[in-house]
This record gives sequence, structure tokens and C-alpha cells, in this order.
Amino acid sequence: EDQVTQSPEALRLQEGESSSLNCSYTVSGLRGLFWYRQDPGKGPEFLFTLYSAGEEKEKERLKATLTKKESFLHITAPKPEDSATYLCAVQAWGGGYNKLIFGAGTRLAVHP
Amino acid sequence: SAVISQKPSRDICQRGTSLTIQCQVDSQVTMMFWYRQQPGQSLTLIATANQGSEATYESGFVIDKFPISRPNLTFSTLTVSNMSPEDSSIYLCSVVLGAENQPQHFGDGTRLSIL
Repeated sequence: EDQVTQSPEALRLQEGESSSLNCSYTVSGLRGLFWYRQDPGKGPEFLFTLYSAGEEKEKERLKATLTKKESFLHITAPKPEDSATYLCAVQAWGGGYNKLIFGAGTRLAVHP
Repeated sequence: SAVISQKPSRDICQRGTSLTIQCQVDSQVTMMFWYRQQPGQSLTLIATANQGSEATYESGFVIDKFPISRPNLTFSTLTVSNMSPEDSSIYLCSVVLGAENQPQHFGDGTRLSIL
């Protein structure tokens, strides 16, 4: 069964303290892995898509990497405005449509 | 990207009633989906809204409980029928703008509470 596990569930950082969020996945054939950011009261906001092991994507203080078993979202020198829930989702080959399987998310709080 | 609008943004309903949620996109999209996000949990796909045909439901979700319409390429509705407190959740629509492996973009959701 396709499955996505994110860790830690919650993370508290001081402003400027870099860290990484983990997304481990089990899927029959990975078609794509997606990272989203979700602010309270809002829908998920798309951040990155990774398609193959070894791929990396960057946006401002965020960098996403992918291996055959997991993905990391690295946050460098975070700011309070980076506080949000970060969601990871995988799309598997087969099924004929664009189904995403989401992890439970990591709640990030960055304090000044 | 597209602007995705959901209505209503929130509602409080009595058990046994039904509520229809609308999702409007400002451009034509290839695929539309409906998700549920229960309190403290992640997103679960309810169904794929197919334009001009019946929706494709995921395991655990049935048409009688969650009827879906998609009359054109920019609009879809989800009805939550015969509601019970267990249906209290956030309901989100998402769209894909291009090929199937392109990212999904989400509306801000409908926060539904059942008394």
C-alpha cells in the first residue's frame, strides 16, 4: 500500500536556526513528489515537484531533495514568516489519474 | 497559476441536512478534485470530478453521500448529504492546469461544522 510518513510532527526553531523536514514514502512507482505549505485557514500552497532520485529544487530559504526512499525539505536561516505546516505528497504510476497521497505534515514554528 | 474560489468559506449546519460547496476556477482546467481534511489530519481524496460524466470516487466515499457535479471545465460542486457531526471537516477543491503529473493547486477550503 502506498504510504507517506512525515517527521517530525512539530518543529520549533529559533530565527536563523537551520533544520530539515523528512518525508519517507513507500510507493509502487514514484511519478512525482510534491511539497506544499499550508497556513492556518488556507489551502495548501504548492512549493516544489521532484520527479527522480538525485533531483533538487530551491526557492528562497527552502531546498527540497529526493532519494529513492525519502525527501528532505531543508530550511536555511528560517524567519518567523516561514512558520506553517509543510505537507509532502506522492503521486504513483498507474491508476490512470492524478491521485496524490499526503503525509500528515510537519508543523513548523519559527520564533524571533 | 489559477485563481480558485470556494463558496461558502465556512458554515455551521444541523445534522441531517445537506450542503453544496462550489468551486470556481478563473481558467479552464484539465482535472478537478475534492479532498477532505479532518481536524489535525492530512488531506484525503474524496473523488475526481469528471467533466460531463460521473465522478470517480475513492474507497470509503460514495456518490449518495458526496454527489459531485462538473458541468464545465471551470466549475464543480460537492454536496455533503445527510450530515452528521463526523462530517465536520475542511473540504477543499484542487485543480491541475496541464498534464496529469503537474502539481495540483488548491482553493482555501470550506470549513464545515455539524451540530
